[in-house]
Amino acid sequence: GAVVSQHPSWVICKSGTSVKIECRSLDFQATTMFWYRQFPKQSLMLMATSNEGSKATYEQGVEKDKFLINHASLTLSTLTVTSAHPEDSSFYICSAGGTGPLNNSPLHFGNGTRLTVT
Amino acid sequence: GEDVEQSLFLSVREGDSSVINCTYTDSSSTYLYWYKQEPGAGLQLLTYIFSNMDMKQDQRLTVLLNKKDKHLSLRIADTQTGDSAIYFCAESINGQNFVFGPGTRLSVLP
Repeated sequence: GAVVSQHPSWVICKSGTSVKIECRSLDFQATTMFWYRQFPKQSLMLMATSNEGSKATYEQGVEKDKFLINHASLTLSTLTVTSAHPEDSSFYICSAGGTGPLNNSPLHFGNGTRLTVT
Repeated sequence: GEDVEQSLFLSVREGDSSVINCTYTDSSSTYLYWYKQEPGAGLQLLTYIFSNMDMKQDQRLTVLLNKKDKHLSLRIADTQTGDSAIYFCAESINGQNFVFGPGTRLSVLP
């Protein structure tokens, strides 16, 4: 089945530094990828939707200058948390769309990245 | 806006059936989904159902949809300890405007 690889799975960084998270579709091409943030014991919050070759669409309240998304190819999307602060500590999950009528549905998920900012 | 609700916790004994319920508000929903999230991991799509279907079965999983009441359920037969996880219900309109529920934490007791 479709596999999405997310890297790194766990990262600790100092406040003020930037962190890049990669999301790759391994055996299929993903026109659309989604980035979610999940707080402990809570549901997923959609941060942005990225489409290959175009600018990402950010959800209301998500700072596009802080959470930079690049979807340069059909198999790779990256999320860069710039100038990270402790309140950015969270679990970030990427997802890739399906095919056909479900190409805009987040069907295939990565295993998530736990970011801790000290 | 659209809303998806689930009970937050469910405990069952190993071997029993689990039924996880979900209600949604958007009558325009065309796809409804169930995802499983194990600790520290991403989500795994378990199954999805089109809104013109009443039931879908896949091995131990049975999905029931009552479109009139906007109620979706996931039944897991012969629940095992490996089924312990958080189960998310989600809905979309033609694959767009995806909305997740808060998740139901299923605990399977030996």
